Amino acid sequence: DAGVIQSPRHEVTEMGQEVTLRCKPISGHDYLFWYRQTMMRGLELLIYFNNNVPIDDSGMPEDRFSAKMPNASFSTLKIQPSEPRDSAVYFCASRPGIRTGNYNEQFFGPGTRLTVL
Amino acid sequence: GQSLEQPSEVTAVEGAIVQINCTYQTSGFYGLSWYQQHDGGAPTFLSYNALDGLEETGRFSSFLSRSDSYGYLLLQELQMKDSASYFCAVREFGGSSNTGKLIFGQGTTLQVKP
Repeated sequence: DAGVIQSPRHEVTEMGQEVTLRCKPISGHDYLFWYRQTMMRGLELLIYFNNNVPIDDSGMPEDRFSAKMPNASFSTLKIQPSEPRDSAVYFCASRPGIRTGNYNEQFFGPGTRLTVL
Repeated sequence: GQSLEQPSEVTAVEGAIVQINCTYQTSGFYGLSWYQQHDGGAPTFLSYNALDGLEETGRFSSFLSRSDSYGYLLLQELQMKDSASYFCAVREFGGSSNTGKLIFGQGTTLQVKP
């Protein structure tokens, strides 16, 4: 398996623009997580899905952020409109379900480095 | 509320042993994980403790005391490549059949010197 795939790897945009980050989890994993990492705030969980259903979005900073998982192999995190304070590395991670594997291990993608000017 | 405390930085020399502590305060607790992250890379899983005691995996060991809400990561025979950030993470109870989410500490930057 290729692991968790994220695109783009780098994104530079201007304030006010829409940004869409993409993630393909490991096949067969039931859980998908979106994290944001900054020096100031560390690694923050934004939202996670179980079997494509959003379970906890309490970490989503505000209404400008939205996430979807239309099927088991694809998820998006959208920021509209983007602001300079959204600059961070965004990680997607996936994890097996309780019946299908070691559900204690979370697998992270390489991340998307977002810069909002 | 939920909080995890770990030292921000640790420095050690090659070949030495270093211990990175983590104390936590959460509502509902499944277990304690450790992740390693090299500069510019993604976090990678090192270990998971659900029960009290020491788990050993090669040069790395992880310990948990549930009664003390405390754990540590022990790195032996340090190598230069061990220079990275190390995060403890608590897996919180998610209710019903949900296996919960990970809450990460702020991370400890380990610098290994020759």
